[in-house]
Amino acid sequence: GAGVSQTPSNKVTEKGKYVELRCDPISGHTALYWYRQSLGQGPEFLIYFQGTGAADDSGLPNDRFFAVRPEGSVSTLKIQRTERGDSAVYLCASSPGTRGLYTQYFGPGTRLTVL
Amino acid sequence: ILNVEQSPQSLHVQEGDSTNFTCSFPSSNFYALHWYRWETAKSPEALFVMTLNGDEKKKGRISATLNTKEGYSYLYIKGSQPEDSATYLCASLFSGGYNKLIFGAGTRLAVHP
Repeated sequence: GAGVSQTPSNKVTEKGKYVELRCDPISGHTALYWYRQSLGQGPEFLIYFQGTGAADDSGLPNDRFFAVRPEGSVSTLKIQRTERGDSAVYLCASSPGTRGLYTQYFGPGTRLTVL
Repeated sequence: ILNVEQSPQSLHVQEGDSTNFTCSFPSSNFYALHWYRWETAKSPEALFVMTLNGDEKKKGRISATLNTKEGYSYLYIKGSQPEDSATYLCASLFSGGYNKLIFGAGTRLAVHP
């Protein structure tokens, strides 16, 4: 079946602009996660959804970052007033259930570059 | 602060060599360990989920072991092939953050023909 997809694959924007990154999880997966990977580091947790609600948003770096999942499927990560430090690969993952024994299936990521 | 560390940072081997790398994590409040393989321009691919001390998992030429008491996991690749070239990531889950993977920085493996 289809895996996790993310669009766009690449996004170049200017400092101060608003961007939206989209994630389509595997059909039927109830849990959805966002991570970001900066150069030379491992992916870093941002937020996790169980259904439509954000169950843990402790990884969002500040209030410029916001994510939604209004119908419990597709999710959008929104970044306001982008800064150069926001440049990273943004990864989305989904899993069939919660708790750590479920594999998180990742998409290919969106590479965001803020000029 | 929960830190997951991987070593070495990068590794170059010849085709046919066997190799291994290490993932270290805090042993207190450990819940599970995940291994992923990430090839450039592709999605990270799940390899193993491990939870029990002494666990061993195998997938083809790749295997992994887990020691939760001392806080480490080894990933082994037997008879490396050029297609094994990728970044290998480990990620831990801890009690209280059951869905929040804490990743190491990865080991970048290059297998030369």
